[in-house]
Amino acid sequence: DQQVKQNSPSLSVQEGRISILNCDYTNSMFDYFLWYKKYPAEGPTFLISISSIKDKNEDGRFTVFLNKSAKHLSLHIVPSQPGDSAVYFCAASAGGSNYKLTFGKGTLLTVNP
Amino acid sequence: KAGVTQTPRYLIKTRGQQVTLSCSPISGHRSVSWYQQTPGQGLQFLFEYFSETQRNKGNFPGRFSGRQFSNSRSEMNVSTLELGDSALYLCASSLRTEPYGYTFGSGTRLTVV
Repeated sequence: DQQVKQNSPSLSVQEGRISILNCDYTNSMFDYFLWYKKYPAEGPTFLISISSIKDKNEDGRFTVFLNKSAKHLSLHIVPSQPGDSAVYFCAASAGGSNYKLTFGKGTLLTVNP
Repeated sequence: KAGVTQTPRYLIKTRGQQVTLSCSPISGHRSVSWYQQTPGQGLQFLFEYFSETQRNKGNFPGRFSGRQFSNSRSEMNVSTLELGDSALYLCASSLRTEPYGYTFGSGTRLTVV
């Protein structure tokens, strides 16, 4: 039972264009969502997060949008840079005393110069 | 400040053997979580320790166990290794105050032959 789904295993975009990574979830108890970026041979690095009480959070080139009714969130990267090429993981937490993160399987983003 | 340190970085073991992985969290972080990353399943939660007590556990067999010491360092043990245990094992530490407080180590790559 995959509670967090990233349906696109890979995405390729041109440098300077927008990258949109999508994530769907099924568990209504999730109230906090995070995006992590992972380079090969390194651990995931926290990128940006959003609470379920918000529908948008922005940090520089990165914006996360949350649509609770659709149980869908997306990460927008504008403009995309070659250094953004990595695997992006969507993760969710049910909050409270539960500090477990449920991850999607990741999307490999390739930004071409 | 020093990040999350995992040792060893690489490990090759034979089926049936057991293995112990180590994780030193960021100074001051008392929560340590372990995740298994495989190509097919993404990142899956193993367990979380806080103040030397297991607080959460994922859906893994009893062959996977862990512990946490008084200095917050944690070890993960896998007994009777199977080929399917080959994976990247990631440790994450946090203050256990916010979900976005997770900092991951670079992981231990375990190969079972």
